[in-house]
Amino acid sequence: QVQLQESGPGLVKPSETLSLTCSVSGGSVSNSSSYWSWVRQAPGKGLVWIGYIYYTGSTNYNPSLESRISIASDPSKNQFSLKLSSVTAADTAVYYCAREFCNPLTCYMDSWGQGALVTVSS
Amino acid sequence: DIQLTQSPSFLSASVGDRVTITCRASQGIDSYLAWCQQKPGKAPKLLIYAASTLQSGVPSRFSGTGSGTEFTLTINSLQPEDFATYYCQQLNTYPYTFGQGTKLEIK
Repeated sequence: QVQLQESGPGLVKPSETLSLTCSVSGGSVSNSSSYWSWVRQAPGKGLVWIGYIYYTGSTNYNPSLESRISIASDPSKNQFSLKLSSVTAADTAVYYCAREFCNPLTCYMDSWGQGALVTVSS
Repeated sequence: DIQLTQSPSFLSASVGDRVTITCRASQGIDSYLAWCQQKPGKAPKLLIYAASTLQSGVPSRFSGTGSGTEFTLTINSLQPEDFATYYCQQLNTYPYTFGQGTKLEIK
C-alpha cells in the first residue's frame, strides 16, 4: 500500500513561493505505472487538480495555474515537490499529494496524503 | 476543460436507505470516471474507478454505472459511516476535473 505524506510551511506571505514536499513510502517515484500528483482544496470548496510528474521527469499542469507551478521529483529521496509562485490569498488551501495509478485500460488516483493546510497571509 | 455537474448537491437520507448521485460530463469521457468519498478534515478516498470498478476494500453496497456523459453512484443500505461528501472525477482529458460534490447528510 502506497503511503504519502506532505510537509512544508503552513504559512506563506503574499507574492512569495509556496513549497511543499511529498514523501512516498510503499512505492517508488521511479515506478512507470504511477503519476505523482497534486490536488488542492480551498476552505469549504471542491477539489482542483494541479498537475503531476512522471518518472521520466515529464510534467502536466493545470493551465489555470501553469504559469506559476513547478513540480519536481527526487528519486534518491523518493519524494516529489510542488512550488507555486506569486501566491495570493486565493491560494490558501489544503494541498494533497496523490498517486495516480495507470494500467493499460484506465487510470485512477488511489492513494492520497493526509493533506497540508497552507495559508497565504502577511 | 470538461465540466462535471453532480446532482443533487445536498442529499438527506436515513440509515438503511438507498441513494443515487448523478454526475454529468460536458463532453464524452468514455468510462474514465472515478468516485471518491471525503469526510471532514480527511483526504478523499477512492471508491470506484473506470465508472464501475469497486476499489479494493470498499464495501459492495457502493456501485457505479455509466459511460459517455452520464454516470451514477449508488449506495445501498446506507450505513452511519457513509455520511460524507462524494465527488466524481474525470480522468479522460487534461486538466482532470472534479464535480462540485454531493454532501450526504443524516435525515
